[in-house]
Amino acid sequence: DGGITQSPKYLFRKEGQNVTLSCEQNLNHDAMYWYRQDPGQGLRLIYYSQIVNDFQKGDIAEGYSVSREKKESFPLTVTSAQKNPTAFYLCASSGANTEAFFGQGTRLTVV
Amino acid sequence: AQSVTQLDSQVPVFEEAPVELRCNYSSSVSVYLFWYVQYPNQGLQLLLKYLSGSTLVESINGFEAEFNKSQTSFHLRKPSVHISDTAEYFCAVSSKTSYDKVIFGPGTSLSVIP
Repeated sequence: DGGITQSPKYLFRKEGQNVTLSCEQNLNHDAMYWYRQDPGQGLRLIYYSQIVNDFQKGDIAEGYSVSREKKESFPLTVTSAQKNPTAFYLCASSGANTEAFFGQGTRLTVV
Repeated sequence: AQSVTQLDSQVPVFEEAPVELRCNYSSSVSVYLFWYVQYPNQGLQLLLKYLSGSTLVESINGFEAEFNKSQTSFHLRKPSVHISDTAEYFCAVSSKTSYDKVIFGPGTSLSVIP
């Protein structure tokens, strides 16, 4: 079935470590997005990419990095520079004239 | 640039009562409009969308939303809610002319009371 797969579902990070969240889609969508969601808050855009090898910062890009080497993949790295990384991270993709499709999310906790 | 406002952060409603979740947007260009639902610890699922044509759109589980261009609104309604409708609801907008990114509202938490 077509869709978006995020892994892992739960991730624990020690302070000072970098971690990478995986996002893969087989929908042949050009655009992919990363959002952060905190309890009781809406979605905040971290990074988005409209095409392979190109991406743009969203509203809260500091402390995060991404790559888009393949159309299907858009991994997010949470670096040690991100001071408050504990959150629920959502990946999404969209095609021309279609809605955004979401993965099931990764819950990152700093221990 | 587009923006989305959801005026009600929390909406409690009794089971089988009607509900309306409000969404207003601002944009200088024509837009597509969406409502998404999120259940605890899950991703967002599309509930319904307005792309063009009839301004009233419906979902398979009884929700409907009406696009009102003059009021720049896309309110979500259901005539009779169920316990299972308890969730977070997000309104979203994207530009028709430049589908670069989807902008989400802050969300409305719907709690259905037995």
